[in-house]
Amino acid sequence: DQQVKQNSPSLSVQEGRISILNCDYTNSMFDYFLWYKKYPAEGPTFLISISSIKDKNEDGRFTVFLNKSAKHLSLHIVPSQPGDSAVYFCAASGRSGAGSYQLTFGKGTKLSVIP
Amino acid sequence: DAGITQSPRYKITETGRQVTLMCHQTWSHSYMFWYRQDLGHGLRLIYYSAAADITDKGEVPDGYVVSRSKTENFPLTLESATRSQTSVYFCASSESRNSPLHFGNGTRLTVT
Repeated sequence: DQQVKQNSPSLSVQEGRISILNCDYTNSMFDYFLWYKKYPAEGPTFLISISSIKDKNEDGRFTVFLNKSAKHLSLHIVPSQPGDSAVYFCAASGRSGAGSYQLTFGKGTKLSVIP
Repeated sequence: DAGITQSPRYKITETGRQVTLMCHQTWSHSYMFWYRQDLGHGLRLIYYSAAADITDKGEVPDGYVVSRSKTENFPLTLESATRSQTSVYFCASSESRNSPLHFGNGTRLTVT
């Protein structure tokens, strides 16, 4: 049972345009959400996060939107740059069934920004 | 340099062998994690630790053993490697439960 879903394995966007990466979750216990960016042969790096008490968080060109009722979040990158080409992972944190906390990742979306 | 380092970067081993992947962080972060990344599965949590001598299972713990005798080290041992354990393994640390994870650069393990 996949609790964090990134339904688009890949996305191509022209340089300068907006990139929108989507993520859906099923576990209502998730209360903190993060986006990570990963280049080949490197570990993921933290990009931006949002708590469930907010519906938007912005950091420079990156904005994350959270729609709790739809259990959906999205990452907007404006404007997109070639250096943004990477795999983006959505992750969610919350109490697991065992009562402990775990960070659950989606499968990732590969973003290609075309110059 | 401060950070999180994994060793080795690449490892080839045979089925049935024991292999240990090392992870060391210099931030004194309380939490440490082991993930594996496989095509079609993304990142899956193997084990995590909230503090020295405290470890807990993640989503895919079978076939793995961890220990955390010191805050800065979190080794992952495959007691008897199987081909299904061929993967890229990432270690990560964080200051607290909701702090962002800092990942190492990974260990690519191949089991033949």
